[in-house]
Amino acid sequence: AQKVTQAQTEISVVEKEDVTLDCVYETRDTTYYLFWYKQPPSGELVFLIRRNSFDEQNEISGRYSWNFQKSTSSFNFTITASQVVDSAVYFCALRGDTGRRALTFGSGTRLQVQP
Amino acid sequence: DTGVSQNPRHKITKRGQNVTFRCDPISEHNRLYWYRQTLGQGPEFLTYFQNEAQLEKSRLLSDRFSAERPKGSFSTLEIQRTEQGDSAMYLCASSSRALKEETQYFGPGTRLLVL
Repeated sequence: AQKVTQAQTEISVVEKEDVTLDCVYETRDTTYYLFWYKQPPSGELVFLIRRNSFDEQNEISGRYSWNFQKSTSSFNFTITASQVVDSAVYFCALRGDTGRRALTFGSGTRLQVQP
Repeated sequence: DTGVSQNPRHKITKRGQNVTFRCDPISEHNRLYWYRQTLGQGPEFLTYFQNEAQLEKSRLLSDRFSAERPKGSFSTLEIQRTEQGDSAMYLCASSSRALKEETQYFGPGTRLLVL
């Protein structure tokens, strides 16, 4: 069985602070894919990043960065210099490579960035 | 390149009524997924189509739920004899089989309220 845990239910920061959203996953698959999605108040899930299990390079995209550590089964997401527009619910998701196409989502972390 | 679209965006119905939702995927995507999201939770997988074939169904998809994708393009999700527990956001996603490391792109969702 696959499982994704996002232990932080809600985080509140002040604009320009850095914030890290945690994601811990469980899978028996040797090859798997990890994702982060953003869900603003409008409700649509917006794709942010995909990471393959065989590629442990960290990635930076503007103010966003991701730290993938296979040894601790974690795929954490950091927003640098947060902005009010970053306020949303962020979901981490996992898909294995054994034929099933379903994504397994965590319960999400609600980020509130105060001006 | 238009994204995934879903109709209607909102639906209010009385318990016992039937409802049908429609999803139009990204035009070149041959895979289509349905998820359900309840308040405060991450999306949960319901079913998946590759072209017109329904290849995977979750245990969440009870006998009252049926999904179709008759021509391998748009899909419909019907709920018969709705119950209050069916109240949720129903999300559709699509992806392209062309890429092994495929990403699912989501539509805006249909929010269902059963009174």
